[in-house]
Amino acid sequence: GAVVSQHPSRVICKSGTSVKIECRSLDFQATTMFWYRQFPKQSLMLMATSNEGSKATYEQGVEKDKFLINHASLTLSTLTVTSAHPEDSSFYICSATLATSYEQYFGPGTRLTVT
Amino acid sequence: TQLLEQSPQFLSIQEGENLTVYCNSSSVFSSLQWYRQEPGEGPVLLVTVVTGGEVKKLKRLTFQFGDARKDSSLHITAAQPGDTGLYLCAGDTGNQFYFGTGTSLTVIP
Repeated sequence: GAVVSQHPSRVICKSGTSVKIECRSLDFQATTMFWYRQFPKQSLMLMATSNEGSKATYEQGVEKDKFLINHASLTLSTLTVTSAHPEDSSFYICSATLATSYEQYFGPGTRLTVT
Repeated sequence: TQLLEQSPQFLSIQEGENLTVYCNSSSVFSSLQWYRQEPGEGPVLLVTVVTGGEVKKLKRLTFQFGDARKDSSLHITAAQPGDTGLYLCAGDTGNQFYFGTGTSLTVIP
């Protein structure tokens, strides 16, 4: 149980274009999902907390107009990187929590490369 | 500064050796989790500890939560190449969830 999927697993896009990453909880309802960014061999950097039906809460330094988050249902959250730049290239990971648990279950991640 | 500091940051050992990874903070946590992450994949939950002084074992891995619930350790006995990965601790303060700085472990055959 507690499986989280992400799509796509890898994406290459050109500078200036937008990319959408989907995060789905497959066998449970997730009232809260988290979006992280990770650089090689480093820990996860929390970007934003996504609550179903409400606006996402962004961490300090994360541009909400650049990283658009939508949590339209209890099983789906999306992260859209708008007007992507090469410095946005990174590994993006989502996670979800069960309503009755503090444990996070992670998706497999999305490798974004902006050329 | 990070709320949860892990040490060492990098560790390279021979197969069969033992090792300990530390996760330290000045804050008290309601619970603490350990995750392992392999390259190109998301972190996988290994264990959750919630009681001060608690010790949990998962095969060759032993996890301990400090008495004051401010720190934790992960001990691996007889490391194997399959243990290679990034180990992350994460703590829940009740208000927020924090990840540690990470420990990259390489076990050489």
